[in-house]
Amino acid sequence: EAGVTQFPSHSVIEKGQTVTLRCDPISGHDNLYWYRRVMGKEIKFLLHFVKESKQDESGMPNNRFLAERTGGTYSTLKVQPAELEDSGVYFCASSHDLVKGEQFFGPGTRLTVL
Amino acid sequence: GEDVEQSLFLSVREGDSSVINCTYTDSSSTYLYWYKQEPGAGLQLLTYIFSNMDMKQDQRLTVLLNKKDKHLSLRIADTQTGDSAIYFCAVFRTGFQKLVFGTGTRLLVSP
Repeated sequence: EAGVTQFPSHSVIEKGQTVTLRCDPISGHDNLYWYRRVMGKEIKFLLHFVKESKQDESGMPNNRFLAERTGGTYSTLKVQPAELEDSGVYFCASSHDLVKGEQFFGPGTRLTVL
Repeated sequence: GEDVEQSLFLSVREGDSSVINCTYTDSSSTYLYWYKQEPGAGLQLLTYIFSNMDMKQDQRLTVLLNKKDKHLSLRIADTQTGDSAIYFCAVFRTGFQKLVFGTGTRLLVSP
């Protein structure tokens, strides 16, 4: 069974540009999550999809961040326009178990905004 | 909101036991997790414990939970250099759906 995959693994962009991150969850997992780790701090929750619906987006920092999951399969996270403080590692996770919350993570996308 | 804290760094010698500690604030947490991140890799789920348990053992890993003190620990027996990584504690509360992570503890194992 393939794990969670993310693309790209690294992205370096200039302030003001747009970047789109992609996540492919484990097949059959209805729940998809985005998290972010900034500057060696804790990993913070951004949002949670159930199929194509946003269940909880309380962790999204501001309206420069837009997440989508059309068709309930893969998800994209777009940052537009990117700011310096958006630099960090963006993790995607998927789960089929809402009781235990067992989430399987992808390798992350390291975003650097210059 | 929920707060999870870990010490930032731990150094041990190969063959010793390592104990990584974590404290949390939400007494309603139902599952508590340990994840491992090796350099350049993603988060690997190591083990978890249900909140009504006080201990769980899985090969070299032992998880201890003191629910009264809201303290979780991960013991790695016979630590190897391959165990060098960042270890994250995370708590989950059924119904809230998000994992709340600590800052991670960097474990360095020297030969």
